[in-house]
Amino acid sequence: GESVGLHLPTLSVQEGDNSIINCAYSNSASDYFIWYKQESGKGPQFIIDIRSNMDKRQGQRVTVLLNKTVKHLSLQIAATQPGDSAVYFCAESTAGGTSYGKLTFGQGTILTVHP
Amino acid sequence: DADVTQTPRNRITKTGKRIMLECSQTKGHDRMYWYRQDPGLGLRLIYYSFDVKDINKGEISDGYSVSRQAQAKFSLSLESAIPNQTALYFCATSEGQGSYGYTFGSGTRLTVV
Repeated sequence: GESVGLHLPTLSVQEGDNSIINCAYSNSASDYFIWYKQESGKGPQFIIDIRSNMDKRQGQRVTVLLNKTVKHLSLQIAATQPGDSAVYFCAESTAGGTSYGKLTFGQGTILTVHP
Repeated sequence: DADVTQTPRNRITKTGKRIMLECSQTKGHDRMYWYRQDPGLGLRLIYYSFDVKDINKGEISDGYSVSRQAQAKFSLSLESAIPNQTALYFCATSEGQGSYGYTFGSGTRLTVV
C-alpha cells in the first residue's frame, strides 16, 4: 500500500541538542518526500523536501536523508530550539498514475524541546 | 491576508445538521484538497480537485461532498453531521506541474454533538 509511518510518536530533547525524526514508507514507487511542521492551532508548514534521485538535502538547520533501499526518511534538526517544538509529519507522493500530485501523510511525531 | 483562508475557524453543530466549510486561496493554484486530522491518525484525504471541472474522492469521502465554485474556492459539506466527524479539517492548495508542495490553511475545528 501507500502507507507512510513513523517509528517514534514522541521525542523530547534538550535545547541545543540535535533532533532526529524518522519516517518509514512502504510504496517503492514514491519519488517525492516532504517534511511538514505543525504548531499548535496552525496548519502544517513546509520544512524541506527531497526527490528520490537524491539521498540528502540540507536547509537552514535541517537536513533530510533518504534511504530508498530500506524505504526510510529522516529529518535532522541541528541545535534544536524551543520554537522547534511541534508535530512533524512526513509525506510522500508519486509522479505517475492516479496518485500523481497527491500527498500521503504519516502519523506525526511530537517534538518537545526543553529549555 | 493568508494565502489559504478557511471559514469558520471553529464550529459546533448538532447531529443530523448540514454544515459547509469554506476555503479560498490567493495562490492562484489549480489544485485544492480537503484533509481531515484526527489525533494519532495524521492527515487523511477527503476530496481533491485538480482544476475547476475536476473533483475526485479521497480515502475517506463517505459522508462528505465538495463543490469547486471557482479556481480560488473549494467548499466541503457534511450532508448530515455525525459525532465521529468531529475533527480538525484542513484545506490545502498546490501548484501541480511537478511541484508537490502544499500550502495549508489554518484549519477548521468542527465538533458534532
